[in-house]
Amino acid sequence: KQEVTQIPAALSVPEGENLVLNCSFTDSAIYNLQWFRQDPGKGLTSLLLIQSSQREQTSGRLNASLDKSSGRSTLYIAASQPGDSATYLCAVKGGNTGKLIFGQGTTLQVKP
Amino acid sequence: ETGVTQSPTHLIKTRGQQVTLRCSSQSGHNTVSWYQQALGQGPQFIFQYYREEENGRGNFPPRFSGLQFPNYSSELNVNALELDDSALYLCASSGGQRDIQYFGAGTRLSVL
Repeated sequence: KQEVTQIPAALSVPEGENLVLNCSFTDSAIYNLQWFRQDPGKGLTSLLLIQSSQREQTSGRLNASLDKSSGRSTLYIAASQPGDSATYLCAVKGGNTGKLIFGQGTTLQVKP
Repeated sequence: ETGVTQSPTHLIKTRGQQVTLRCSSQSGHNTVSWYQQALGQGPQFIFQYYREEENGRGNFPPRFSGLQFPNYSSELNVNALELDDSALYLCASSGGQRDIQYFGAGTRLSVL
């Protein structure tokens, strides 16, 4: 059974810091991995999707990496801003069905 | 804006009642997935519909049921509501080659 874990559960950093959020999964047979952002009480916004054959994806200040063999992904946020404050969720897709298995998220606070 | 619309945004019901939640998928997407997100947790997969047929189901009892219509919009029905059904219900549509799931803003259900 696939399990997804995100560490840390919460993170508080001063503005301008570079930071790394971690995601681990127990079954390396994944189809893809997706990082989402969720603002309080809101839906999910897709940030980056990495296919199983890829090692990383970049969008602006965000870079996500994938190491299937070790069951890990990281989301790197460069030069953090207060507007980056949100909960970040990673999710893996294990096969042809659309089922995404989510971690519990990392709640990030960036202080001005 | 993801192009995925959910209604209503908030709903209050009492235990034992029935509820119907609605989702309009992004234009061109033929797949809709539903998730339940309890407070402080990652979303849990309920089921997915592809071209009006159920295409995968998570660990939810039969009182959770769904429909997908010819225009690919979808409904989630929950019968015999229980207090633990209180959660944010998220709908996601997909269908493009990149397989990204686009989420709506969710329906917040409170069961009293």
